[in-house]
Formats: sequence, C-alpha cells, structure tokens
Amino acid sequence: GAVVSQHPSWVICKSGTSVKIECRSLDFQATTMFWYRQFPKQSLMLMATSNEGSKATYEQGVEKDKFLINHASLTLSTLTVTSAHPEDSSFYICSADAGQGLTYNEQFFGPGTRLTVL
Amino acid sequence: AQSVTQPDIHITVSEGASLELRCNYSYGATPYLFWYVQSPGQGLQLLLKYFSGDTLVQGIKGFEAEFKRSQSSFNLRKPSVHWSDAAEYFCAVAANFGNEKLTFGTGTRLTIIP
Repeated sequence: GAVVSQHPSWVICKSGTSVKIECRSLDFQATTMFWYRQFPKQSLMLMATSNEGSKATYEQGVEKDKFLINHASLTLSTLTVTSAHPEDSSFYICSADAGQGLTYNEQFFGPGTRLTVL
Repeated sequence: AQSVTQPDIHITVSEGASLELRCNYSYGATPYLFWYVQSPGQGLQLLLKYFSGDTLVQGIKGFEAEFKRSQSSFNLRKPSVHWSDAAEYFCAVAANFGNEKLTFGTGTRLTIIP
C-alpha cells in the first residue's frame, strides 16, 4: 500500500520557538494532504486541508497564522507551529490522498509526530 | 454536519474470543463509513469501508463490519481475536458526495488478555 512518512517522530522544544513537521508521500503523488491533531485519549481533529500549489483550507477555530501549512510539491507538505506554547503540545498526524477523483479517495496516514512544548 | 459515536472507550477481551466494537453515526443520508486501526508508532490503517451495496463488508486481518441503516450503526466484528489486535480502533464517516473530509469517533482501545 501507499506509504506516508512524517519527520520528526517526536520533538521537544522551548516555549516561543517554531517547529516544522514534514509529511511525505513516499511512493505516490498526493494532490491533497490533511493535517490532524490528536489529544491524549481523544479523536483525530482535522486542522486543515492542503492542496499542492495552493493555500491550505483551515477548519474553524484553527489559527492559520499559528499553524502554517505549505504543500510545495506533490510529495511533501509541511506544518510549522509558530511561537509554540505548552498548549500546542499534541500528536500531529498527516494523511495523503492518492486518488484520482472519480470516487471517494482513500487517505493514507503518517505515523504521527509527538510535539512537547516546555 | 456528520458525527460519530463510539460508546466504548476501552474493551478487554481474551485471546481467541469474539469481538464487537460499536459505532453509531449521525448524518442526513447514508455516509461513507470507515474503520481504522492505530497501533503505537504506526499510522492509521484502513481496515474496511462501506460506500454502498452489500451491508456486510469484509476487511483486512479477518475483520468485518455490518451497516445497519435503521440503527445508524456500523459495528466492527472479528470472530476470534489475536494478541496482535490490541490497538486503538476508530470509526469514521464522510459525507457521500465529492471528496469530503473524514470525521472520526473518539476511538475504542482494545486490550487482549491471554
């Protein structure tokens, strides 16, 4: 099946710094990538949808200036958490859409990135 | 907007026993329905999906799920669990038009005891 990687798998940073998380589709091209946030023992909450070459679409309540998303190529999307604070600590998961648009396109998920802000 | 409820936060079953994980959804029509499994250090993996047709769908790893429109349910079943099935299971729905986003349930953690 299609493989999606994330880097880093975990990161610890100081409050006020910025952190970049990469999401790559390894063996397919993804026109659409999704970024989710998962709190402990809770569900995945969609943060934003990114399409290659265009601006990301953010879900209601997600600060686009706080969570910068760039989808510069068909295999790479990045999420930058700017001026991170302890409340941004969470598990961030990306997924990539490998479909052709004819039917519902399956999303393939990365393993996630654990962010801890001190 | 659609929503998903997984009533069981944590389930413990003995290895070899049968399993049923519950999922109820709320949506104005029949949505697309999914079950995912999340293991530590691994991404979510799709177990099975229902779009239309036969209401009993077979998935990977011996799992199956049955769509019941009258109950707005899509319960996941396995006749005999293995220790490797211990993981977090998520039910998800998407609106049945276009390429709509997934809405996830809160998940059910499955523990297998010898």
